[in-house]
Amino acid sequence: EAEVAQSPRYKITEKSQAVAFWCDPISGHATLYWYRQILGQGPELLVQFQDESVVDDSQLPKDRFSAERLKGVDSTLKIQPAELGDSAMYLCASSLTGSKEQYFGPGTRLTVT
Amino acid sequence: SQELEQSPQSLIVQEGKNLTINCTSSKTLYGLYWYKQKYGEGLIFLMMLQKGGEEKSHEKITAKLDEKKQQSSLHITASQPSHAGIYLCGADMTTDSWGKLQFGAGTQVVVTP
Repeated sequence: EAEVAQSPRYKITEKSQAVAFWCDPISGHATLYWYRQILGQGPELLVQFQDESVVDDSQLPKDRFSAERLKGVDSTLKIQPAELGDSAMYLCASSLTGSKEQYFGPGTRLTVT
Repeated sequence: SQELEQSPQSLIVQEGKNLTINCTSSKTLYGLYWYKQKYGEGLIFLMMLQKGGEEKSHEKITAKLDEKKQQSSLHITASQPSHAGIYLCGADMTTDSWGKLQFGAGTQVVVTP
């Protein structure tokens, strides 16, 4: 069964350091989402891609976060510099164009010390 | 999201008993998505509801969307240990094809022997 892949699964970093997460969506899914989930809360959308274009990054803290999907397939989310408040689960999801039935990866749990 | 309320926040149910989780919105829901999440992992898609009065079932889980399309419930019959986890509702509150899902805070379900 096709799955969304994410790496790493866990990341511990010191504040002010740079960190990057990778996501490979289900093959054929043109829409890709990055979410942040703080413990005890639901996921919050950070950025949404359609192919290689950003269609929604209104909740992305652009002073420190960046996301790219250069070839419209896999994607990278970067944080520089990391802050203590960035500790959370970062989830990637994908869907077929026009569908909101999203399939999630296992997530990357980030701890900033 | 304050626009989407889930209740209860958590519940403990004895194995074999039934349970119900609610998801309520102040706005019309154009789509309602139920997910299950095990602690520290990604979200698993359960069901999608779009039409007022719609009801779907899969194994022992039934989800309903009310006629006004502002409230959904998830009902588990004869709960089993495998039903333990966090249940999240995700809502589509726009007719925009690029519209993002807003998630509730989740309901933690514990199944005791």
